[in-house]
Amino acid sequence: GAVVSQHPSWVICKSGTSVKIECRSLDFQATTMFWYRQFPKQSLMLMATSNEGSKATYEQGVEKDKFLINHASLTLSTLTVTSAHPEDSSFYICSARDYIGESYEQYFGPGTRLTVT
Amino acid sequence: AQSVAQPEDQVNVAEGNPLTVKCTYSVSGNPYLFWYVQYPNRGLQFLLKYITGDNLVKGSYGFEAEFNKSQTSFHLKKPSALVSDSALYFCAVRDMRAGRRALTFGSGTRLQVQP
Repeated sequence: GAVVSQHPSWVICKSGTSVKIECRSLDFQATTMFWYRQFPKQSLMLMATSNEGSKATYEQGVEKDKFLINHASLTLSTLTVTSAHPEDSSFYICSARDYIGESYEQYFGPGTRLTVT
Repeated sequence: AQSVAQPEDQVNVAEGNPLTVKCTYSVSGNPYLFWYVQYPNRGLQFLLKYITGDNLVKGSYGFEAEFNKSQTSFHLKKPSALVSDSALYFCAVRDMRAGRRALTFGSGTRLQVQP
């Protein structure tokens, strides 16, 4: 099956700094990738849809200037958390979409745990 | 709009007993339905999906799910639970007519299998 990787798997940063998380589709091209956020013991909440070569589409309530998304190629999307604060600490999961048969399939990365101190 | 409800925060079952994790959905059109499992500090692992066809879908690790259109449900089942099945389970849906939309997830159900 299709594989999606994320890097780093975990990161600790100081409040006020920026952190970049990479999401790669390893064996397929993904024109669309999704970024989810998961708080402890909670569900995955969609943050934004990342489209290759165009601006990302953010869900209501997600600050686009704080969570910068760049989909630079068909296999790479990045999420940059700018001026991170402790409340940004969370588990970030990316998902890449591929068209299989007659439908779209979503494949999920292993997640990145961000801790802001 | 598309949404998913998992009414149980936690399900407890003894090893060897059958288990059911409940899921109901709401979409405008026909649904694509999925179940994923998540172990601590890990990403999502795909278990099974329903697109069309047979209402009973068989997936990984002995899990199966039954699609019930009249009740808008897609409950996850396993005939005999294992301690290693203890994890967090998510139901997800996408409206078939909204193929470009991301999956919407339920709140998750923690399955605890006691030895």
